[in-house]
Amino acid sequence: QVQLVQSGAEVKKPGASVKVSCKTSGYIFSHHAIHWVRQAPGRGLEWVGWINGGSGNTKYSEGLQGRVSITRDISASTAYLELSGLRSEDTAVYYCVREGPSGYYGQFDYWGLGTLVTVTS
Amino acid sequence: SELTQDPTVSVALGQTVRITCQGDSLRNYYASWYQQKPGQAPMLVAYGRDNRPSGIPDRFSGSKSGNTASLTITGTQAEDEADYYCNSRDTNGVHWVFGGGTKLTVL
Repeated sequence: QVQLVQSGAEVKKPGASVKVSCKTSGYIFSHHAIHWVRQAPGRGLEWVGWINGGSGNTKYSEGLQGRVSITRDISASTAYLELSGLRSEDTAVYYCVREGPSGYYGQFDYWGLGTLVTVTS
Repeated sequence: SELTQDPTVSVALGQTVRITCQGDSLRNYYASWYQQKPGQAPMLVAYGRDNRPSGIPDRFSGSKSGNTASLTITGTQAEDEADYYCNSRDTNGVHWVFGGGTKLTVL
C-alpha cells in the first residue's frame, strides 16, 4: 500500500534552516508529483510547493519563493523540503502529499502524517 | 488566485448539506475536497467530476458549475463532523491554492 513516512519533529531558532524528509513506498516514485502543504496551529492548509517525481522540476508558493527548496532522491523514493531563514510564522505542521495519477485532476490522494516544525528563540 | 469557502456550516443528522468553494481558477480546473478531523492529516474525499477514492462512502459527491465547486454530503452522519477544504490549481495552472476551510457541525 502507498505510504509516505515523514521525519520527526524539529525545533529551530529564528534564522535557521530545516530539512524535512518524506520517504515513500508502495508505488513508482517517479510516476507521481510530491507536494508539500503546511498548516499553522489553528489555521487552514497552505500549499508550499511541488516537485515532479520524474523530472525533478519544481514550483514554489510565491510567498515562500527564495526560502524554500524541494528536492528528491529517486533511488531512495524520498522527497525533501528545506526552508531557510525561519521565522516564527513558519511554525506549522508540514505535510508531504502525493498527487494522483496522470495529473489531470490534480488530486492529493495520499498524505503523510505531518512533521511539526517549531521556530522559537 | 483565491478559493473562498464559508467558514462554518451546520446540518441536522441525516440531512443533506452542500459545502461550496468559489474561485476564478475553477472555471478552468477541477477542485478536490479534503476532510480533516482534529489531530489528523487531511484525507481526500472527492475530486474532479464526481470521483471518490476507494473507501469513501457514496454519500460524498463533488460537482462544479462555472466558478463554483460543491461538495454534497447526503444523509450526513455524526462522523462527518470535520473541517473540509477545497483546492485546485491557480488561474495560471502553475501553483496550487486551498480554500480557507469550512467547519461542518452535525446537529
